[in-house]
Amino acid sequence: EAQVTQNPRYLITVTGKKLTVTCSQNMNHEYMSWYRQDPGLGLRQIYYSMNVEVTDKGDVPEGYKVSRKEKRNFPLILESPSPNQTSLYFCASSPSYWGLVGNTIYFGEGSWLTVV
Amino acid sequence: GIQVEQSPPDLILQEGANSTLRCNFSDSVNNLQWFHQNPWGQLINLFYIPSGTKQNGRLSATTVVTERYSLLYISSSQTTDSGVYFCAAITNAGNNRKLIWGLGTSLAVNP
Repeated sequence: EAQVTQNPRYLITVTGKKLTVTCSQNMNHEYMSWYRQDPGLGLRQIYYSMNVEVTDKGDVPEGYKVSRKEKRNFPLILESPSPNQTSLYFCASSPSYWGLVGNTIYFGEGSWLTVV
Repeated sequence: GIQVEQSPPDLILQEGANSTLRCNFSDSVNNLQWFHQNPWGQLINLFYIPSGTKQNGRLSATTVVTERYSLLYISSSQTTDSGVYFCAAITNAGNNRKLIWGLGTSLAVNP
């Protein structure tokens, strides 16, 4: 089954404690990205990756890091989480950057993160 | 930059009723999509609809590019249709190609 898997799905953590949200896709997709969803602000892109070792900032990259060492995985790293990073996070993948259209965009189930 | 606006922000229906959700976009877009976010937070693709009309069961969508709007029709609504409906436009922004999201229409279907 084609899917994007995120972990953890739910996490409560404390300010400053480094955490990683993993994202893995089993469709051999080249393009992956991270979004955060906040009330009144909608979904905003954090980082994206067009292929292995190719990553770039989205609209709200501050406080986040990513890596793309292999095609299937695209972890989101919060080096020193702060309360303003409390949000619902989504990982998405697509066959290719240029194919970022249509029903070829797959989303993970979301990760609810609370930083206290 | 492109802006995507959705209306109404909230909608309450009785089961069996029909509804129309609207999405206006401010500039020409490459593509437009509709998503449903269920009460558990999962995002589900509904339609890729850059232009024209598509139908999938009780749902259909129409995009009129020249007038910069898209409509999502829900007929004979069911409680499982509850959730938030988003439209999103794909735009080129420099070297990036990304989704620009509306703020959604929150739909509650009562039994």
